[in-house]
Amino acid sequence: AQTVTQSQPEMSVQEAETVTLSCTYDTSESDYYLFWYKQPPSRQMILVIRQEAYKQQNATENRFSVNFQKAAKSFSLKISDSQLGDAAMYFCAYSPVAQGGSEKLVFGKGTKLTVNP
Amino acid sequence: DTEVTQTPKHLVMGMTNKKSLKCEQHMGHRAMYWYKQKAKKPPELMFVYSYEKLSINESVPSRFSPECPNSSLLNLHLHALQPEDSALYLCASSQDPATRKFFGPGTRLTVL
Repeated sequence: AQTVTQSQPEMSVQEAETVTLSCTYDTSESDYYLFWYKQPPSRQMILVIRQEAYKQQNATENRFSVNFQKAAKSFSLKISDSQLGDAAMYFCAYSPVAQGGSEKLVFGKGTKLTVNP
Repeated sequence: DTEVTQTPKHLVMGMTNKKSLKCEQHMGHRAMYWYKQKAKKPPELMFVYSYEKLSINESVPSRFSPECPNSSLLNLHLHALQPEDSALYLCASSQDPATRKFFGPGTRLTVL
């Protein structure tokens, strides 16, 4: 069974600084998707960034980038120039590609990010 | 229109009540999902509808009954719930099961 591990229950960062959230996963599949979702307090869960396992290039979305290490099964999220609005719970998630299994988004337990002014 | 809407935002019900949660999307997505999320925990998948047919039921108790009347709507019918069923219920949709999921804001359910 696939598992996703986020080893940092809580992290904090100063505004304008950079922070990296860790995620590791376990799978026997060779092709899959990885995601980082953000869930602010009492607000909607939104997708931050998505990585396809067959792509070697790390995904980036503005201030958000990932360090995808397929062999190590590691998928960390870097937030540059942190802003107060980045404060949220961040979930790392895995989804297989295989037919019949791709519906199951496996979430990590989450990392609560606090941004200090 | 790139959003998933859910009603109601909050719901308080007794253990003998019957209520329904509603979810709607107009993005033409063919897969829709119900998740349950307890406080400070990740979402747990309950049901998946793919092309209006139930494709996954994650061994959810029968007191939760999903329904997909059409490709834009997803309901979750609730009956004889227990206090431990109190949680945030999230609806999501995607173009197909393999692509990114759009989540709704959730319905916060309290069972007394």
